[in-house]
Amino acid sequence: QSALTQPASVSGSPGQSITISCTGTSSDVGGYNYVSWYQQHPGKAPKLMIYDVSNRPSGVSNRFSGSKSGNTASLTISGLQAEDEADYYCSSYTSSSTLNYVFGTGTKVTVL
Amino acid sequence: QVQLQQSGPGLVKPSQTLSLTCAISGDSVSSNSAAWNWIRQSPSRGLEWLGRTYYRSKWYNDYAVSVKSRITINPDTSKNQFSLQLNSVTPEDTAVYYCARDWLLGGGWTWYFDLWGRGTLVTVSS
Repeated sequence: QSALTQPASVSGSPGQSITISCTGTSSDVGGYNYVSWYQQHPGKAPKLMIYDVSNRPSGVSNRFSGSKSGNTASLTISGLQAEDEADYYCSSYTSSSTLNYVFGTGTKVTVL
Repeated sequence: QVQLQQSGPGLVKPSQTLSLTCAISGDSVSSNSAAWNWIRQSPSRGLEWLGRTYYRSKWYNDYAVSVKSRITINPDTSKNQFSLQLNSVTPEDTAVYYCARDWLLGGGWTWYFDLWGRGTLVTVSS
């Protein structure tokens, strides 16, 4: 089972908006609305930012939003702030017989 | 506030068994809606879901095929915790191991992890 494909890095200046893509297949991202996104600061555990493609858990800033088109999901961070600098991972349910969850390769977000 | 507290050795010799524990506070390992997972992260393999345990009138386990022959996840209701055992480890099992929670509700699995432990770096080396 291959991981979901994300760009290795994305950068932006404070106040700008950036978008991170997450590309899978019809067996995962494209076939189900079970895409989630996690933020991970160095040495810390991942933190859930988006679930079910576009839903935010309580306490997560509305600067974070999610969407999906076909086999590609996206995470947009608007009004970029220094504290947003972190690694971001997508995840999806997969109908693959080998496992239930598949994660993305991860994207390093740098705030310039 | 719900928390997951991990414990266990950070160094394991090749061919031996990796054992970690995740203590739950603020929720129950016997919850009728939550499920308790182990996930690992390494530079070479990225994030990898390993398996889960959950209680729905009886105990169930699901394991990733990649580790199914070597893994056991057990609940301990007396201590409100669950454990991971991974047998016959090799250096490829070197990773940060996390415990995490997801949900099995009336409509099915939620397919996301809303609570994570802090992680335990386990190095497999002689």
